[in-house]
Amino acid sequence: GQNIDQPTEMTATEGAIVQINCTYQTSGFNGLFWYQQHAGEAPTFLSYNVLDGLEEKGRFSSFLSRSKGYSYLLLKELQMKDSASYLCAVKSNDYKLSFGAGTTVTVRA
Amino acid sequence: DTGVSQDPRHKITKRGQNVTFRCDPISEHNRLYWYRQTLGQGPEFLTYFQNEAQLEKSRLLSDRFSAERPKGSFSTLEIQRTEQGDSAMYLCASSRYENEQFFGPGTRLTVL
Repeated sequence: GQNIDQPTEMTATEGAIVQINCTYQTSGFNGLFWYQQHAGEAPTFLSYNVLDGLEEKGRFSSFLSRSKGYSYLLLKELQMKDSASYLCAVKSNDYKLSFGAGTTVTVRA
Repeated sequence: DTGVSQDPRHKITKRGQNVTFRCDPISEHNRLYWYRQTLGQGPEFLTYFQNEAQLEKSRLLSDRFSAERPKGSFSTLEIQRTEQGDSAMYLCASSRYENEQFFGPGTRLTVL
C-alpha cells in the first residue's frame, strides 16, 4: 500500500517562509510531485523531484531525500494568494499518483 | 485556453440514475488519467489510458463505473446506478511525458 503523510494545517505571516514536510512509504517510487489547490479548483502543478536534492523555481523550492522517504516544499516571501492546500503526491510506477491528504496553508496579514 | 477541459462542471442527480462525464485532454497528450477527490482528501487514482488503451483500473472502481477513450483523444467516465457515496469531485488529468500531469477543473457530482 501507499502511505503519504503531511501536516493538516499551517499558518504563517505574509512575507514569511513556510516549509511543508511530506513523508512517504510506497511500494514503488518514480518521482514526487507537489501541487497547489485552491478551494473548489483543480490541483495546479508546482514541482517534480525524482533525484535527491533541491529544485528551486522562483519563490517555491522542493527537496527530496529518497533514502529517508522525505520531501519538503518551501514557500518564500509568502503572499496572501498562497493561501491554499498543498498536495504531496508520489508516482509509484509509470503513471499512478498517490496523494497525501493535503496541507492547508493560511497566510495572515 | 488549451488546458484540460471537463464537462459538465457540476452535476446533481438522484440516487439510481446514470451519469456520464467527459474529459478533453491537452492536444497531443497521449496519457489520460481519472481521479476522484472527496472533501478534505487528496485525489485518488481511478484509471489510466495510454492512447485508447486502458492500462489500469483501480479497485476503487466498482462494476458500476466504466471509462472509455475510443479514439485516443477525449475520454468519458460513466457511473451507473449512482449512490450517495459517489458524490465527489471527478478530476481528469493528461500528460505527454511521465514527469507531469495537468489537471482539468473537475466535475462535481452530487447524488441526492
